[in-house]
Amino acid sequence: EVQLLGSGGGLVQRGGSLRLSCVVSGFSFTSYGMSWVRQAPGTGLEWVASVGGSGADTSYADSVRGRFTISRDNSKNTVYLQMNSLRDEDTAVYYCAKVQSVNYQSFDYWGQGILVTVSP
Amino acid sequence: QSVLTQPPSVSGAPGQRVTISCTGSSSNIWEQYGAHWYQQLPGTAPKLLIYGNLNRPSGVPDRYSGSRSGTSASLAITGLQAEDEADYYCQAYDSSLRAWVFGGGTRLTVL
Repeated sequence: EVQLLGSGGGLVQRGGSLRLSCVVSGFSFTSYGMSWVRQAPGTGLEWVASVGGSGADTSYADSVRGRFTISRDNSKNTVYLQMNSLRDEDTAVYYCAKVQSVNYQSFDYWGQGILVTVSP
Repeated sequence: QSVLTQPPSVSGAPGQRVTISCTGSSSNIWEQYGAHWYQQLPGTAPKLLIYGNLNRPSGVPDRYSGSRSGTSASLAITGLQAEDEADYYCQAYDSSLRAWVFGGGTRLTVL
């Protein structure tokens, strides 16, 4: 059974930092890209960042580039999102998600969601 | 403004058929990866419903179907049930933006 378990959220002051983690199981971790997708309160889904299976290739949404860093530790089956210089608009539920395949670029499994709240 | 455009809401009575549209461009929906659809029930994580325009993951009922025509995609739900009431999102990979993009979401209400 595929499982994605996120952690690390909470309340942080504007300008602060936070690191999210997502531990996965049930599939060959190194064979798949991983992503973070967020959802601000009452709004839709927004892709944040992605990392390839080896960890060498990363991509970021314009809204977070230069402030957030996605990485992975394949020995721990874990993907991370380091968030720096946090802004009010970064308040959201953050989901880690598995990229289905290189042929489809869809997200076939999702974590439970991690709440991040940035306070003024 | 989302890169992919969806209607904010649709509704239908139990047993009816509804469709949700998703309009994009040649750099996303028309691309080789196609369009994908997710269902998000209140307070839960999104769930993949359709991938590659028309493929259903294992366990997704055949009441859900997808299609693509040019730079637009559609999700159809037949035999509408109360449990279908949720938010639905389309998604694609945009080769020009080099980004994964979502539609703004469509709220389905079962009357």
